[in-house]
Amino acid sequence: AQSVTQPDIHITVSEGASLELRCNYSYGATPYLFWYVQSPGQGLQLLLKYFSGDTLVQGIKGFEAEFKRSQSSFNLRKPSVHWSDAAEYFCAVGGWGDMRFGAGTRLTVKP
Amino acid sequence: NAGVTQTPKFRVLKTGQSMTLLCAQDMNHEYMYWYRQDPGMGLRLIHYSVGEGTTAKGEVPDGYNVSRLKKQNFLLGLESAAPSQTSVYFCASSVDRGSGNTIYFGEGSWLTVV
Repeated sequence: AQSVTQPDIHITVSEGASLELRCNYSYGATPYLFWYVQSPGQGLQLLLKYFSGDTLVQGIKGFEAEFKRSQSSFNLRKPSVHWSDAAEYFCAVGGWGDMRFGAGTRLTVKP
Repeated sequence: NAGVTQTPKFRVLKTGQSMTLLCAQDMNHEYMYWYRQDPGMGLRLIHYSVGEGTTAKGEVPDGYNVSRLKKQNFLLGLESAAPSQTSVYFCASSVDRGSGNTIYFGEGSWLTVV
């Protein structure tokens, strides 16, 4: 079965600094990959997804992610973090019906 | 724009009681899911459905049952609640292959078992 690992439980960055959140996956075929964001007490919002084509995908709120098949990774990046980006971020992988999520990375943004 | 709607949003149960969480989606999606979210463990898939009348087990199915009698509804049942089932439950749905199976989530149901 597929699985997702997010190695960093908690990351703190200063406002305006760059951000990279790591995601590694295990999947038997070409994966569908996603990043979601969750603000406290809320549901999950899709940031971006990859399922074919260009391995660098652009999402909402200035986020991007790069699919690297050789490394089984799908890391999320943002050039300049805003205080409103503080939230929990989840990477997900799956095919049809069986979608698996990582444990999440909590992002704190320092002024 | 209702999207995915879960009821109830909050519930407190006593150990051994039963209850059903209802999920409804108005997007005509084929796939529906129930996840539970616990601190430090992310979202774990309980059960899912790939169409009306179908269900399948996810990562943590024990202690839960589901039914998908109508395409728009996906019910999650707890027959005999246990404190270990205290969690936040999220229902989700997704559309067809052409859109890359983006999952849309409900707002969550907070369940406490005492």
